[in-house]
Amino acid sequence: DSGVTQTPKHLITATGQRVTLRCSPRSGDLSVYWYQQSLDQGLQFLIQYYNGEERAKGNILERFSAQQFPDLHSELNLSSLELGDSALYFCASSLGASGPYEQYFGPGTRLTVT
Amino acid sequence: SQKIEQNSEALNIQEGKTATLTCNYTNYSPAYLQWYRQDPGRGPVFLLLIRENEKEKRKERLKVTFDTTLKQSLFHITASQPADSATYLCAPHGGNTDKLIFGTGTRLQVFP
Repeated sequence: DSGVTQTPKHLITATGQRVTLRCSPRSGDLSVYWYQQSLDQGLQFLIQYYNGEERAKGNILERFSAQQFPDLHSELNLSSLELGDSALYFCASSLGASGPYEQYFGPGTRLTVT
Repeated sequence: SQKIEQNSEALNIQEGKTATLTCNYTNYSPAYLQWYRQDPGRGPVFLLLIRENEKEKRKERLKVTFDTTLKQSLFHITASQPADSATYLCAPHGGNTDKLIFGTGTRLQVFP
């Protein structure tokens, strides 16, 4: 158990809909990261937050947004969903913003768009 | 553009042998390089981190090397076991990039 929790575990929704994925980081960690993993692709970095502020951005679509709250939990919002958004979404946390900090990954949310 | 290459073909080895996985990167000058293990449908699990001024790092049956001249890291599992079967991901970072970008991983299959 990494100490990172993600809800829900599974999500099935229709195209055009909007969903919110939730992540609670490991106790004491200030950074939260979001990744997308599709069947035919590797782990794609989406976005990082550190202590409530956006720290780094990857190839995150404009239809996706995220935020980190004062209690350090984070939400990833996906809107106008398309079939291609079906994937495993992982949240990870680390102690620091950059530098030699390992990341601890949650169990993921499996999103299926029909 | 920055690129991380790991052997996309699965590596099949016999139990007890040493598995060696390769990670090559281009257009990076990482200060660190991390290795993770991922089992199907599960989140990656951190294994080892090596710094640019360290040539080699060990942890139990695992050994990682980091050659900044060759822009390559090698990941070794000695006395491999079927339980080591998984996908192994490398992730260089730091230096000229703050982001932790993962390679596509190499699937290791250890058979009895």
